[in-house]
Amino acid sequence: ETGVTQTPRHLVMGMTNKKSLKCEQHLGHNAMYWYKQSAKKPLELMFVYNFKEQTENNSVPSRFSPECPNSSHLFLHLHTLQPEDSALYLCASSQASGGRNTGELFFGEGSRLTVL
Amino acid sequence: LAKTTQPISMDSYEGQEVNITCSHNNIATNDYITWYQQFPSQGPRFIIQGYKTKVTNEVASLFIPADRKSSTLSLPRVSLSDTAVYYCLVGVRGTYKYIFGTGTRLKVLA
Repeated sequence: ETGVTQTPRHLVMGMTNKKSLKCEQHLGHNAMYWYKQSAKKPLELMFVYNFKEQTENNSVPSRFSPECPNSSHLFLHLHTLQPEDSALYLCASSQASGGRNTGELFFGEGSRLTVL
Repeated sequence: LAKTTQPISMDSYEGQEVNITCSHNNIATNDYITWYQQFPSQGPRFIIQGYKTKVTNEVASLFIPADRKSSTLSLPRVSLSDTAVYYCLVGVRGTYKYIFGTGTRLKVLA
């Protein structure tokens, strides 16, 4: 138990569906991240939020739409995805104190997405 | 951000000490070095972090030479359950952009 919870753990969707991934952290952190991990590949940073404000968008296609309503919750809205978007989507959080991020990321277990 | 380079894979036997080296030639003054462990279909887990010299905790040691252009993660007496992918991550404190490299796939054999 890392204090970061992701739901659903598994999701299968068609290319025309709209779905959302949810991440909740119970650690009191103020930065949250979305990473994508395709099969046997390293993690790819997608988005970063700090105090609910998006600070990084790593050239992610618009069919992925993040939302961060507060520092504890992070969503990834999915729309008209492609089969190559099938991957493990990982959420993480970290704590910044006095403007200094510890560099220690706490990850959830991930949401395994399959696009048919 | 500094790019990291690690061996793609390593094999070891149970009970041995394993050393995984990461190269980060472009590391900047403010960059810290963090190592993570990842099991299949799980999120990475923080192992250890350091800035210079040597850091030790209950699971690993991290050796960083004076020029900080590389670091070595040392796992004492590995077991089968240490089979995982190990990532070295160089990030700048005060920023939020953490880019993972390819990682090292460690296989521990009986």
